[in-house]
Amino acid sequence: QVQLVESGGGLVKPGGSLRLSCAASGFTFSDYYMSWVRQAPGRGLEWVSYISTSSYYTNYVDSVKGRFTISRDNAKNSLYLQMNSLRVDDTAVYYCGRLVAVTAPYYFDLWGQGVLVTVSS
Amino acid sequence: QTVVTQEPSVSVSPGGTITLTCGLRSGSVSARLYPSWYQQTPGQTPRTLISNTNVRFSGVPDRFSGSVVGNKAALTITGAQADDECDYYCVLYMGSGIWVFGGGTKLTVL
Repeated sequence: QVQLVESGGGLVKPGGSLRLSCAASGFTFSDYYMSWVRQAPGRGLEWVSYISTSSYYTNYVDSVKGRFTISRDNAKNSLYLQMNSLRVDDTAVYYCGRLVAVTAPYYFDLWGQGVLVTVSS
Repeated sequence: QTVVTQEPSVSVSPGGTITLTCGLRSGSVSARLYPSWYQQTPGQTPRTLISNTNVRFSGVPDRFSGSVVGNKAALTITGAQADDECDYYCVLYMGSGIWVFGGGTKLTVL
């Protein structure tokens, strides 16, 4: 079964850290770029970060640059998001997304069920 | 900062046709930005509808269609049904590994 399953969410205090994981199955993980997308409560979707197949290329939305780090382990079919210096406005459901982006047309074709991150004192 | 614009809300009668648009606050949307569209029922995971401006994703009914009209990307729903009532998001690929979501459009079918 082709699927993405996120884990690692929870409640953390401002300034704290959290590491999200996304386990992929049912497809050749190493063939795909991967991404994190988040959705704050009552708000729209926001692209957070992406990583290329070999981890050579990464990028981030400006609001998380220097605080979040995306990584992957192709041997474990897993994607990660290390989140440091968390702020209240990082509170969101974080979705793992598979990208069709090695070449055009650069879109998301598979989504995880999401994991909730709450940053609050 | 790139801002992708969408109508906050639109409504359509059952069986009617509605077009949602996706623009740029500064600039024009063209196929070179590879617009894609996603559907989301509140509390649920997003569902991919359209990629590369007008390519329907697997399993998406043909009453959903994408295009570029003028300087905006567009998602047209023909023969709207009650279960089309949800949120719709467009995404533009800005290059250099940067994707930008629009703010979303809440579609009401009434």
